[in-house]
Amino acid sequence: GAGVSQSPSNKVTEKGKDVELRCDPISGHTALYWYRQSLGQGLEFLIYFQGNSAPDKSGLPSDRFSAERTGGSVSTLTIQRTQQEDSAVYLCASSFEASGANVLTFGAGSRLTVL
Amino acid sequence: AQSVTQLDSQVPVFEEAPVELRCNYSSSVSVYLFWYVQYPNQGLQLLLKYLSGSTLVKGINGFEAEFNKSQTSFHLRKPSVHISDTAEYFCAVSRRVGGAQKLVFGQGTRLTINP
Repeated sequence: GAGVSQSPSNKVTEKGKDVELRCDPISGHTALYWYRQSLGQGLEFLIYFQGNSAPDKSGLPSDRFSAERTGGSVSTLTIQRTQQEDSAVYLCASSFEASGANVLTFGAGSRLTVL
Repeated sequence: AQSVTQLDSQVPVFEEAPVELRCNYSSSVSVYLFWYVQYPNQGLQLLLKYLSGSTLVKGINGFEAEFNKSQTSFHLRKPSVHISDTAEYFCAVSRRVGGAQKLVFGQGTRLTINP
């Protein structure tokens, strides 16, 4: 597609429920990133996928968080047993990995509210 | 590991006045530097980037930034701001380690333009 697409744009859930957030990257982009943007916390790196390599999961805050990327394209971020502190905007970005620096293209984000 | 510090969380400026948003980074190796802008209720958009070469880089919307290696800074400037520049601005640093690249963001600076 023309840009990075994320869904849902808004999600309200009850504490303890599981949620799935979806990211559809730009066609042909080999790298995909998830970031979390919390009020007053800036952008926090969560996870990074690059081609067929093992993902860099070093930013996932707990084992309740997981992500997968199927067929090198669409990615799903899953949060199990949501907590109120999980409330944030979850941003997905993709880039075309090449030598040198990558420019990330961001989606509009999925705003998660845990009641 | 690299980190990014944005020294001002909020910057109020009058329209048509100049502005400087400060960014310092820490890294023991060469890095790539970026400024992203986030308009209200939108995703992040690349403003400009420094990869190598000239230390003064020009971006969109009349913004420019200067890479200063000795001071490990990458401050963003605009000589005359407009109401439409009201947004949150994020400085970011990345470096390539093998085949992977991870972008680390600062906490963000909220720029408010007053008429």
